[in-house]
Amino acid sequence: EAEVAQSPRYKITEKSQAVAFWCDPISGHATLYWYRQILGQGPELLVQFQDESVVDDSQLPKDRFSAERLKGVDSTLKIQPAELGDSAMYLCASSLGRAVETQYFGPGTRLLVL
Amino acid sequence: AQSVTQLGSHVSVSEGALVLLRCNYSSSVPPYLFWYVQYPNQGLQLLLKYTSAATLVKGINGFEAEFKKSETSFHLTKPSAHMSDAAEYFCAVSDRGNTPLVFGKGTRLSVIA
Repeated sequence: EAEVAQSPRYKITEKSQAVAFWCDPISGHATLYWYRQILGQGPELLVQFQDESVVDDSQLPKDRFSAERLKGVDSTLKIQPAELGDSAMYLCASSLGRAVETQYFGPGTRLLVL
Repeated sequence: AQSVTQLGSHVSVSEGALVLLRCNYSSSVPPYLFWYVQYPNQGLQLLLKYTSAATLVKGINGFEAEFKKSETSFHLTKPSAHMSDAAEYFCAVSDRGNTPLVFGKGTRLSVIA
C-alpha cells in the first residue's frame, strides 16, 4: 500500500539553527499539505500545494518558514532560524486533488528546539 | 469560518463497553466531516468521512458516525471497545473538496481491561 514518506522522523536542534523536513507524497497525488501539530492539539495547516504551486500559505510564518515543491512531487519545509516555540510535530499529507478526496498523512517529523 | 469542538479531551472506557466520542462543528455551508485516529508518534489515519451521502457512515475497525444537521454534530461510536482502540481521535471539517482540514483539539481514548 502506497504511503506518504517523511524524513527525518525526529530532529533535535538548537534555537537559531536551520532545519529542513522532507515529504514524498503518494505517487500521482497532486495536492500536498504541511500541517503543524503542537502537543495536545489538532493539526493546523501551514501550506497547501497544488502540483508545484502554492494554493494557501496564509498561516505560514514567512519570516522564518519556507516551503517548496519544485517539480510538483516531493516537498521541503524549512525553518530558519528555529525558535523554541517551533517544537511540534510536522505532518505532511497528500490527496489526489479532486473533490472530497481523502488526505493521507505521513508519520510526521517531531521537532524539538532547545 | 469552520470550526470543530470535541467535547472531552480524555475519555476512558472499559474493554467491551460502548465508545462515544463527541464532535460538533460550525460551518456556513454543508460540510464534509472526517474522523482520524492517531497512535503515539505516528501520523493520522482516516477512520471515516461524511460527504453528503448517507448520514450514517461506517468506517474501519468497527467505528461509525452519524451526521445530524439539526444538532451540528458528528459523533463517533463503536459498540464494543478493544484495547487496541486506545489512541487520540480527531474530528475535522472542510467546506468543500480539496481544501485544508480544520481539526478539533482531539480526544484521547483510554481502554481499561
